This record gives sequence, C-alpha cells and structure tokens, in this order.
Amino acid sequence: GDSVTQTEGQVALSEEDFLTIHCNYSASGYPALFWYVQYPGEGPQFLFRASRDKEKGSSRGFEATYDKGTTSFHLRKASVQESDSAVYYCALNNAGAKLTFGGGTRLTVRP
Amino acid sequence: GPKVLQIPSHQIIDMGQMVTLNCDPVSNHLYFYWYKQILGQQMEFLVNFYNGKVMEKSKLFKDQFSVERPDGSYFTLKIQPTALEDSAVYFCASSLQGATEVFFGKGTRLTVV
Repeated sequence: GDSVTQTEGQVALSEEDFLTIHCNYSASGYPALFWYVQYPGEGPQFLFRASRDKEKGSSRGFEATYDKGTTSFHLRKASVQESDSAVYYCALNNAGAKLTFGGGTRLTVRP
Repeated sequence: GPKVLQIPSHQIIDMGQMVTLNCDPVSNHLYFYWYKQILGQQMEFLVNFYNGKVMEKSKLFKDQFSVERPDGSYFTLKIQPTALEDSAVYFCASSLQGATEVFFGKGTRLTVV
C-alpha cells in the first residue's frame, strides 16, 4: 500500500537557521502531496500541496517541490523562528479521499 | 479560518461501554473523516463519509465502529463496545472536495479504562 517516510523524528535548530525535513513517498500512480503542521493541543493544519512533478508548494515561508524521480517532497524554510516549533507531517492522497500521513517530525526552535 | 468543532475534548470510559464522539464539520463541506492518533505516533485514517455513506474505511475501522450524520447534524463516531486499545486521540476532519485542503478539529482524547 501507499506510505510516507519522514527521515527525521526530531529536529532542533536555533532561530534564523535553515530548515530541511525530508519526506519520501511510495505510491502507485500519481499522488498529490501535502504538508501539514500540528501545534500542541490542535489538529493538523494544512500548509500547502503539490499535484504534479516539479510543482512547488509554499506557505508562510515554507516550501517543497514535488520530485517524481526521487519520490520526494522535502520541506524547507530559509530562516526559522521560535513560533515555527511544532510537529510537521508529510502526507499523500492517491485517488479517493483519504490522506496517508508520515510519522511526523517534531521541530524545536531555540530563541 | 474554517473551524471543525469536536465534543467532548476528553472522554474517559469503562471498557465494554459505548462511546459517541461528536463532530461539527465546516458548514458547507461535503466530505467527512475520522483519524486516530495514538500518543506519539502518526495519524492513521479510519474512515471517510460522503453523501450519507461510508466511502472508504481502513482495517483500523473495526466492526465495533460506526459513523453517521443524521439530517446534517453532528458527524459522529460510535464505538460499541470499547476496548483498551481504542484509547487514542480521534480527529474529525472535513473538506469541500475529496483530496483537497482538509480541515481538522482539535481532537477528542478517548481513554478506555
């Protein structure tokens, strides 16, 4: 079945550091790819999506580019802030109406 | 932004009893979902619901689970009977279309004792 792998379980950075969270997927066909962010006590919030190869999604300074060749959708941000501390989930949708989530990456940003 | 409301936020229930989790989805949304998250683990799809019917369900959606949305009111997840392994946070979600931006509620933490 479909799956999403996030390499980093936890990432710790200082403010203004560059962020990369790696996301790779395995799916038949041509899935849509998503990033969600979850703050403590909240449900996941949609960040952005991409639906085709080489498409870039972005929001709030975060961005990721759909790469069908490497089956990846890595999340990047040039300069993180303390308020970015949260859990980030990569997810895919491959036909139907359900999201398959990765394991999540907890980002902690030190002031 | 649009809000999905879940009631209650926390429920403690004795094993074997029935529990109903309530969700008030975004008003014009057509697709409804339940996800399960065990503490510290990933979000797992349970079921989706459209036009009054279950469209897809995962193997986590046991026979003891059921969903309904009678007359456009709350979208509910009922578990009868509950088991210890049902302890988790259950997230309700909704979307206008399938496979687009999905809005999640804050979750209901279910503890089965």
